[in-house]
Amino acid sequence: KQEVTQIPAALSVPEGENLVLNCSFTDSAIYNLQWFRQDPGKGLTSLLLIQSSQREQTSGRLNASLDKSSGRSTLYIAASQPGDSATYLCAVIPQGGSEKLVFGKGTKLTVNP
Amino acid sequence: NAGVTQTPKFQVLKTGQSMTLQCAQDMNHNSMYWYRQDPGMGLRLIYYSASEGTTDKGEVPNGYNVSRLNKREFSLRLESAAPSQTSVYFCASSEIFYWNPDTQYFGPGTRLTVL
Repeated sequence: KQEVTQIPAALSVPEGENLVLNCSFTDSAIYNLQWFRQDPGKGLTSLLLIQSSQREQTSGRLNASLDKSSGRSTLYIAASQPGDSATYLCAVIPQGGSEKLVFGKGTKLTVNP
Repeated sequence: NAGVTQTPKFQVLKTGQSMTLQCAQDMNHNSMYWYRQDPGMGLRLIYYSASEGTTDKGEVPNGYNVSRLNKREFSLRLESAAPSQTSVYFCASSEIFYWNPDTQYFGPGTRLTVL
């Protein structure tokens, strides 16, 4: 059974710092890996999707990498801002079934002004 | 283009009552999903529908039923609500391009409390 783990569970950094969020998964047979952002009391917003054949994706100050063989992904946020404060969720779609997402429990990020 | 919409936003039920959560998407996606989110448990899949007319169980289907009314709408029904079903419920939709699943788009959620 695919399991997704995110470390740390919470992270607090000063504004302007570059930071890395980590995600690991137990089975490398995946279609893709996705990073989402969730603001308190809100739904999920897709940030980046990396197909299994890709190594990384970039969007603005965000860069996500994927090392499928080791079961790891990182989300790099450059020059963090208070508006980046949210919970970041990593999820994979395992191969061999339907397009069902398996989520990690998230990393709660606080960027202090 | 509203994306994925859910109604209601909030609901309080008494144990044993029934209700239906509504979800609609306007992106012409074939696949739709229902998740629940609980503190410390993350998001877990309840049911999904790969296309109109088909539904399948996810990780935590007990106590729920679903209906894929048409391509746009996917409803989740609680026949006899229990306190363990207190949660935030999210609906999502997605498409498959060249055999690869694409991004899932989520609705704003329904916050359900069962007393």
